[in-house]
Amino acid sequence: DTEVTQTPKHLVMGMTNKKSLKCEQHMGHRAMYWYKQKAKKPPELMFVYSYEKLSINESVPSRFSPECPNSSLLNLHLHALQPEDSALYLCASSRSLNTEAFFGQGTRLTVV
Amino acid sequence: EDQVTQSPEALRLQEGESSSLNCSYTVSGLRGLFWYRQDPGKGPEFLFTLYSAGEEKEKERLKATLTKKESFLHITAPKPEDSATYLCAVRNYNTDKLIFGTGTRLQVFP
Repeated sequence: DTEVTQTPKHLVMGMTNKKSLKCEQHMGHRAMYWYKQKAKKPPELMFVYSYEKLSINESVPSRFSPECPNSSLLNLHLHALQPEDSALYLCASSRSLNTEAFFGQGTRLTVV
Repeated sequence: EDQVTQSPEALRLQEGESSSLNCSYTVSGLRGLFWYRQDPGKGPEFLFTLYSAGEEKEKERLKATLTKKESFLHITAPKPEDSATYLCAVRNYNTDKLIFGTGTRLQVFP
């Protein structure tokens, strides 16, 4: 089983809203990732967690706040987003930072 | 700075017409090169991992190879269902970052 589950699949939010994206994996992976992908562009790395600790933050604006409550869950809290933040947000996990990452199907976020 | 460049940007093939996709990379320390397939609106699907020059991996009509500066994804006798964007990614040994190339959009026509 190489499944990474993301919820919700679609999200529309206003610029003053607060929402959260959720990601779950039960493969025992110890590294988890958030990527942002705009149309016809490659995924861009946002955050990496390794053993539930934030390992990499790619200078992401503070309106995006990651959280890793346990080894199976990864959240991305959203607050005061801008329309240009509309994108496909992808979660991924890997056994370690050496190995291949498996991606979820993404959350399509639209900021209005 | 790490760089991953894929070519061509787009490729149109007739069903059965074999071809190759290229991924050129510059990374201070390579800790793996990864190939993914992505369908529109979906997350990338893992295909192959390559760790060292000379390594080859094969799966159905796809074969991935690696040299010290580039990787190739060879597609033999493609079918329309192989149509997708193929992404290459490299992991930097020093930073642990997984960085993606711009992708090749492949269309296979019957």
